[in-house]
Amino acid sequence: DSGVTQTPKHLITATGQRVTLRCSPRSGDLSVYWYQQSLDQGLQFLIQYYNGEERAKGNILERFSAQQFPDLHSELNLSSLELGDSALYFCASSVGELSGELFFGEGSRLTVL
Amino acid sequence: GQSLEQPSEVTAVEGAIVQINCTYQTSGFYGLSWYQQHDGGAPTFLSYNGLDGLEETGRFSSFLSRSDSYGYLLLQELQMKDSASYFCAVRDRPDSGGYQKVTFGTGTKLQVIP
Repeated sequence: DSGVTQTPKHLITATGQRVTLRCSPRSGDLSVYWYQQSLDQGLQFLIQYYNGEERAKGNILERFSAQQFPDLHSELNLSSLELGDSALYFCASSVGELSGELFFGEGSRLTVL
Repeated sequence: GQSLEQPSEVTAVEGAIVQINCTYQTSGFYGLSWYQQHDGGAPTFLSYNGLDGLEETGRFSSFLSRSDSYGYLLLQELQMKDSASYFCAVRDRPDSGGYQKVTFGTGTKLQVIP
């Protein structure tokens, strides 16, 4: 158990809908990262927050948005969902901005029908 | 641009040694990490190299050469449970400035056979 909690674990929804994925980092970790992993693919970096502020952005679609709240939990919002958005979405956390070690949650598996 | 290259698949025999290479092209390089991911599971951290040289953690070792933009993960005394995907990940800063980010390679699927 990494200490990173993600909910929901599984989510099935229809095209055009909107979903919110939630992540609670390890106690004491200030950085939160979001990654997308499609079937048999690598981990695509979406976005990173540190202590409530956006720090780095990857190839995150405009239909996706995220934020980190004062209690350090983070939410990833996916809207106008398309079939291609079906993937495993991982949240990771680290103590600082420059840590070489990320701790990953178990992921949220999104299926868009 | 930025890229990381790893072999897509490697097969090795139980008890043997296997090396998984990773080459990268990036700017503002800070360090190279390795992660293990079993099918359907979450990536778990194995090692981090911020400086050139070898880092050893039990059966796993990782090496970095910054001048060659190259690193590898060495797994010794392979066990069946080592069958998994292994990802190298680079922490770097983009050319345009801004904050560091962690970018993962496409992963190497290791199959350990009896």
